[in-house]
Amino acid sequence: GAGVSQSPSNKVTEKGKDVELRCDPISGHTALYWYRQSLGQGLEFLIYFQGNSAPDKSGLPSDRFSAERTGGSVSTLTIQRTQQEDSAVYLCASRARGVIDSPLHFGNGTRLTVT
Amino acid sequence: LAKTTQPISMDSYEGQEVNITCSHNNIATNDYITWYQQFPSQGPRFIIQGYKTKVTNEVASLFIPADRKSSTLSLPRVSLSDTAVYYCLALLSGGSYIPTFGRGTSLIVHP
Repeated sequence: GAGVSQSPSNKVTEKGKDVELRCDPISGHTALYWYRQSLGQGLEFLIYFQGNSAPDKSGLPSDRFSAERTGGSVSTLTIQRTQQEDSAVYLCASRARGVIDSPLHFGNGTRLTVT
Repeated sequence: LAKTTQPISMDSYEGQEVNITCSHNNIATNDYITWYQQFPSQGPRFIIQGYKTKVTNEVASLFIPADRKSSTLSLPRVSLSDTAVYYCLALLSGGSYIPTFGRGTSLIVHP
């Protein structure tokens, strides 16, 4: 079946511009995560959505970052007034919460380059 | 959440067995041990998960001793295509949680 889909796969933007990154999770998965991965580093947690509950935003690095999840499915991560340090790969993952031992399923990410 | 510790890097050669050990001294009763594999320009991919003893699938084996304070991922007869970063996580099954990925173990398989 279809996996997690992210778009665009690559995004180059100028410093100061806003960007939107999209994630289509696996159908029926109630949990959705955004992570950020800088070159050669591990994954940095950004935000977590679970069903209709309020999202856990504890990983967002600044108020320039926000995310929403519409209808419990598609999610958009928005970065306002981008800075060069925002350059990274942004990864989305979904999980079927409530299913014991259900793993995360990741998309292939959006590579963001801020010039 | 249990913190995990694993080697930063490992080298091997084609055809060898590779064992990557992960320490998770403060693992909780409900935590599962899960391993992911990440190739360049891709998201991490689930490879194996276990709670105790031994689990085997078509890709790898996972050995977990009785005290569950460590686990070992075993890759039989590696090939060049097994070159990747391998992450060990201790996850709370079924509940709300935020999986924490460290820097993982970078495995390089040489010809």
